[in-house]
Amino acid sequence: AQRVTQPEKLLSVFKGAPVELKCNYSYSGSPELFWYVQYSRQRLQLLLRHISRESIKGFTADLNKGETSFHLKKPFAQEEDSAMYYCALAGLGAGKSTFGDGTTLTVKP
Amino acid sequence: ETGVTQSPTHLIKTRGQQVTLRCSSQSGHNTVSWYQQALGQGPQFIFQYYREEENGRGNFPPRFSGLQFPNYSSELNVNALELDDSALYLCASSSAGAPDNEQFFGPGTRLTVL
Repeated sequence: AQRVTQPEKLLSVFKGAPVELKCNYSYSGSPELFWYVQYSRQRLQLLLRHISRESIKGFTADLNKGETSFHLKKPFAQEEDSAMYYCALAGLGAGKSTFGDGTTLTVKP
Repeated sequence: ETGVTQSPTHLIKTRGQQVTLRCSSQSGHNTVSWYQQALGQGPQFIFQYYREEENGRGNFPPRFSGLQFPNYSSELNVNALELDDSALYLCASSSAGAPDNEQFFGPGTRLTVL
């Protein structure tokens, strides 16, 4: 069975502070992991995927197979980063993702 | 390019009734996935349709069924509604075989079962 755990439901930081949103997964195969973001009154959208090893809006995420983690990081948080963030694992194949329950990030001025 | 659309936006049903939700995929996409998102939880994969055939299913009972049409739009049908079926239902479209397989989500349909 595959599972994605986001241990923090709520995370609050001040503008300019570093932020880390935690994601741990359970999967026996080679994982394909994603971070999705949902801004207020907008639809769910892809933020980044681990295979691309990209930085989007200053966010990066590194897959750590030893710790089965895929934490999302940003060195200097901005107020516009306030949103709901979901970690997802596509273990069943493309478009068949298992999502965590999300972390609500609030960046205070 | 048109994004993913879903209808209706909201609906209210009573226990035991049947419901049909609709999704139009983004232009150029041939795959549609359906998710159920209960309050305070992440989306949960229901099933996926590709070329009008079911292409994978999550842990949902057979009373959850679907269709995909030649234009790649899709329907989700739920029979014998239960109170726990109250949730936001999301569809996402993608293009099978595309290098990134990125899913694009619709705004969702909010179903309330009384």
